[in-house]
Amino acid sequence: QQPVQSPQAVILREGEDAVINCSSSKALYSVHWYRQKHGEAPVFLMILLKGGEQKGHEKISASFNEKKQQSSLYLTASQLSYSGTYFCGTVTTDSWGKLQFGAGTQVVVTP
Amino acid sequence: KAGVTQTPRYLIKTRGQQVTLSCSPISGHRSVSWYQQTPGQGLQFLFEYFSETQRNKGNFPGRFSGRQFSNSRSEMNVSTLELGDSALYLCASRPMGGRFFGPGTRLTVL
Repeated sequence: QQPVQSPQAVILREGEDAVINCSSSKALYSVHWYRQKHGEAPVFLMILLKGGEQKGHEKISASFNEKKQQSSLYLTASQLSYSGTYFCGTVTTDSWGKLQFGAGTQVVVTP
Repeated sequence: KAGVTQTPRYLIKTRGQQVTLSCSPISGHRSVSWYQQTPGQGLQFLFEYFSETQRNKGNFPGRFSGRQFSNSRSEMNVSTLELGDSALYLCASRPMGGRFFGPGTRLTVL
Protein backbone atom coordinates (compact mmCIF):
# COMPACT_ATOMS: atom_id res chain seq x y z
CA GLN A 1 0.00 0.00 0.00
CA GLN A 2 1.55 3.25 -1.14
CA PRO A 3 1.53 6.25 1.21
CA VAL A 4 -0.50 9.36 0.42
CA GLN A 5 1.32 12.65 0.11
CA SER A 6 -0.03 16.17 0.26
CA PRO A 7 0.03 18.72 -1.16
CA GLN A 8 0.77 17.77 -4.76
CA ALA A 9 2.67 20.98 -5.33
CA VAL A 10 3.76 24.07 -3.46
CA ILE A 11 5.30 27.33 -4.63
CA LEU A 12 7.41 29.29 -2.16
CA ARG A 13 9.45 32.41 -2.10
CA GLU A 14 12.95 32.19 -0.69
CA GLY A 15 12.83 32.31 3.08
CA GLU A 16 9.31 30.94 3.41
CA ASP A 17 8.38 27.73 5.16
CA ALA A 18 6.41 24.73 3.92
CA VAL A 19 5.11 21.43 5.26
CA ILE A 20 4.67 18.23 3.28
CA ASN A 21 2.57 15.45 4.73
CA CYS A 22 2.72 11.71 4.26
CA SER A 23 0.21 9.23 5.63
CA SER A 24 -0.25 5.50 5.58
CA SER A 25 -3.23 3.25 6.14
CA LYS A 26 -0.95 0.60 7.65
CA ALA A 27 1.26 0.52 10.70
CA LEU A 28 4.65 1.94 9.84
CA TYR A 29 8.10 0.74 10.74
CA SER A 30 9.92 3.61 9.06
CA VAL A 31 9.42 6.69 6.93
CA HIS A 32 11.97 7.90 4.41
CA TRP A 33 12.23 11.26 2.68
CA TYR A 34 13.91 11.85 -0.67
CA ARG A 35 14.34 14.79 -2.99
CA GLN A 36 14.58 14.46 -6.74
CA LYS A 37 15.66 17.26 -9.02
CA HIS A 38 14.69 17.24 -12.67
CA GLY A 39 16.70 14.73 -14.66
CA GLU A 40 18.44 13.35 -11.60
CA ALA A 41 17.99 10.37 -9.31
CA PRO A 42 16.23 10.70 -5.96
CA VAL A 43 18.55 11.67 -3.12
CA PHE A 44 18.09 10.31 0.39
CA LEU A 45 17.39 13.03 2.96
CA MET A 46 16.51 11.19 6.15
CA ILE A 47 14.84 8.20 7.72
CA LEU A 48 12.56 8.15 10.74
CA LEU A 49 12.17 4.92 12.61
CA LYS A 50 9.32 3.73 14.79
CA GLY A 51 10.14 4.97 18.25
CA GLY A 52 12.82 7.29 16.92
CA GLU A 53 13.34 11.01 17.23
CA GLN A 54 12.65 13.87 14.89
CA LYS A 55 15.38 14.15 12.31
CA GLY A 56 16.94 17.06 10.50
CA HIS A 57 19.00 17.80 7.42
CA GLU A 58 20.20 21.39 7.17
CA LYS A 59 17.00 23.41 7.60
CA ILE A 60 14.86 20.48 6.55
CA SER A 61 13.42 18.42 9.37
CA ALA A 62 10.77 15.75 9.74
CA SER A 63 8.56 14.22 12.37
CA PHE A 64 6.87 10.85 12.67
CA ASN A 65 3.55 10.38 14.46
CA GLU A 66 3.34 6.64 15.07
CA LYS A 67 -0.19 6.76 16.42
CA LYS A 68 -1.53 8.42 13.29
CA GLN A 69 0.89 6.66 10.91
CA GLN A 70 1.86 10.03 9.54
CA SER A 71 5.03 11.94 8.87
CA SER A 72 5.62 15.56 8.01
CA LEU A 73 8.58 17.19 6.30
CA TYR A 74 9.33 20.78 7.26
CA LEU A 75 11.15 23.09 4.89
CA THR A 76 12.30 26.04 6.96
CA ALA A 77 13.56 29.32 5.52
CA SER A 78 13.55 27.75 2.07
CA GLN A 79 16.43 28.24 -0.32
CA LEU A 80 16.44 28.05 -4.12
CA SER A 81 18.29 24.74 -3.82
CA TYR A 82 15.27 23.21 -2.08
CA SER A 83 13.35 23.11 -5.36
CA GLY A 84 12.55 19.63 -6.56
CA THR A 85 10.09 16.83 -6.02
CA TYR A 86 9.94 15.40 -2.52
CA PHE A 87 8.95 11.80 -2.03
CA CYS A 88 8.08 10.05 1.15
CA GLY A 89 8.67 6.35 1.28
CA THR A 90 7.26 4.00 3.86
CA VAL A 91 8.09 0.55 5.17
CA THR A 92 5.17 -1.04 6.95
CA THR A 93 5.55 -3.41 9.87
CA ASP A 94 4.18 -6.31 7.80
CA SER A 95 6.47 -5.96 4.78
CA TRP A 96 10.10 -6.28 5.75
CA GLY A 97 12.28 -4.03 3.67
CA LYS A 98 9.67 -3.16 1.06
CA LEU A 99 9.93 0.60 0.59
CA GLN A 100 6.98 2.13 -1.23
CA PHE A 101 6.81 5.72 -2.36
CA GLY A 102 4.12 8.36 -2.39
CA ALA A 103 3.25 10.27 -5.54
CA GLY A 104 5.57 13.12 -4.67
CA THR A 105 5.23 16.82 -3.88
CA GLN A 106 6.68 19.29 -6.35
CA VAL A 107 8.31 22.21 -4.58
CA VAL A 108 9.27 25.36 -6.45
CA VAL A 109 11.21 28.03 -4.60
CA THR A 110 11.33 31.38 -6.36
CA PRO A 111 13.66 34.33 -5.71
CA LYS B 1 33.24 5.53 -2.41
CA ALA B 2 31.85 5.28 -5.89
CA GLY B 3 28.10 5.61 -6.11
CA VAL B 4 25.58 3.21 -7.56
CA THR B 5 26.19 2.65 -11.25
CA GLN B 6 23.69 1.51 -13.83
CA THR B 7 24.23 0.40 -17.39
CA PRO B 8 23.22 1.19 -19.96
CA ARG B 9 21.97 4.71 -19.34
CA TYR B 10 19.67 4.73 -22.35
CA LEU B 11 17.99 1.98 -24.33
CA ILE B 12 15.61 1.91 -27.23
CA LYS B 13 13.81 -1.34 -27.94
CA THR B 14 10.79 -2.45 -29.92
CA ARG B 15 7.71 -4.24 -28.67
CA GLY B 16 8.22 -7.93 -28.10
CA GLN B 17 11.94 -7.69 -27.47
CA GLN B 18 13.58 -8.36 -24.15
CA VAL B 19 16.04 -6.24 -22.22
CA THR B 20 18.55 -6.68 -19.40
CA LEU B 21 19.59 -3.82 -17.16
CA SER B 22 22.56 -3.89 -14.84
CA CYS B 23 23.23 -2.30 -11.46
CA SER B 24 26.40 -2.19 -9.41
CA PRO B 25 25.77 -1.14 -5.81
CA ILE B 26 27.99 0.94 -3.57
CA SER B 27 30.86 -1.17 -2.30
CA GLY B 28 29.81 -3.01 0.84
CA HIS B 29 26.08 -2.65 0.24
CA ARG B 30 24.47 -6.05 0.01
CA SER B 31 20.90 -4.98 -0.65
CA VAL B 32 19.75 -3.85 -4.08
CA SER B 33 16.25 -2.76 -5.01
CA TRP B 34 14.70 -1.77 -8.31
CA TYR B 35 12.07 0.84 -9.09
CA GLN B 36 10.18 1.88 -12.17
CA GLN B 37 9.50 5.59 -12.50
CA THR B 38 6.92 7.01 -14.91
CA PRO B 39 5.12 10.35 -14.97
CA GLY B 40 1.77 8.68 -14.49
CA GLN B 41 2.55 6.05 -11.86
CA GLY B 42 5.46 7.63 -10.03
CA LEU B 43 8.02 5.43 -8.29
CA GLN B 44 6.86 1.83 -8.26
CA PHE B 45 8.71 -0.87 -6.35
CA LEU B 46 9.78 -3.83 -8.48
CA PHE B 47 11.84 -6.07 -6.21
CA GLU B 48 14.60 -6.16 -3.66
CA TYR B 49 17.52 -8.55 -3.32
CA PHE B 50 19.77 -9.25 -0.37
CA SER B 51 22.64 -11.70 -0.52
CA GLU B 52 21.42 -13.13 -3.83
CA THR B 53 17.90 -13.79 -2.49
CA GLN B 54 14.79 -11.94 -3.53
CA ARG B 55 13.35 -10.50 -0.32
CA ASN B 56 10.38 -8.56 -1.66
CA LYS B 57 8.49 -8.22 -4.87
CA GLY B 58 6.14 -5.52 -6.12
CA ASN B 59 2.99 -5.89 -8.17
CA PHE B 60 4.50 -6.34 -11.59
CA PRO B 61 3.83 -9.15 -14.07
CA GLY B 62 6.15 -12.11 -14.36
CA ARG B 63 7.77 -10.53 -17.42
CA PHE B 64 9.81 -8.55 -14.93
CA SER B 65 12.49 -10.58 -13.22
CA GLY B 66 15.77 -9.99 -11.52
CA ARG B 67 18.72 -11.60 -9.88
CA GLN B 68 21.67 -10.73 -7.74
CA PHE B 69 25.16 -12.10 -7.98
CA SER B 70 27.60 -13.02 -5.25
CA ASN B 71 29.39 -9.67 -5.68
CA SER B 72 26.03 -7.90 -5.01
CA ARG B 73 25.69 -6.71 -8.59
CA SER B 74 22.15 -7.07 -9.82
CA GLU B 75 20.38 -7.41 -13.12
CA MET B 76 16.77 -7.02 -14.05
CA ASN B 77 15.21 -8.48 -17.14
CA VAL B 78 12.03 -7.53 -18.91
CA SER B 79 10.76 -9.95 -21.51
CA THR B 80 8.20 -9.36 -24.25
CA LEU B 81 8.41 -5.60 -23.95
CA GLU B 82 5.25 -3.52 -24.16
CA LEU B 83 4.87 0.17 -24.91
CA GLY B 84 3.88 0.76 -21.29
CA ASP B 85 7.27 -0.48 -20.10
CA SER B 86 8.84 2.77 -21.27
CA ALA B 87 10.17 4.30 -18.09
CA LEU B 88 13.17 5.25 -16.03
CA TYR B 89 14.40 2.18 -14.16
CA LEU B 90 16.19 3.04 -10.97
CA CYS B 91 18.34 0.80 -8.88
CA ALA B 92 19.16 1.59 -5.25
CA SER B 93 21.50 0.03 -2.74
CA ARG B 94 21.64 0.32 1.00
CA PRO B 95 23.65 -0.77 4.01
CA MET B 96 20.72 -0.28 6.39
CA GLY B 97 17.92 2.25 6.15
CA GLY B 98 18.07 4.84 3.42
CA ARG B 99 18.41 3.94 -0.24
CA PHE B 100 21.13 5.35 -2.47
CA PHE B 101 19.94 5.57 -6.03
CA GLY B 102 21.84 5.15 -9.25
CA PRO B 103 21.28 7.49 -12.21
CA GLY B 104 18.81 5.11 -13.82
CA THR B 105 18.34 3.51 -17.20
CA ARG B 106 15.94 5.29 -19.51
CA LEU B 107 14.10 2.61 -21.51
CA THR B 108 12.05 3.58 -24.52
CA VAL B 109 9.87 0.94 -26.16
CA LEU B 110 8.75 1.70 -29.71
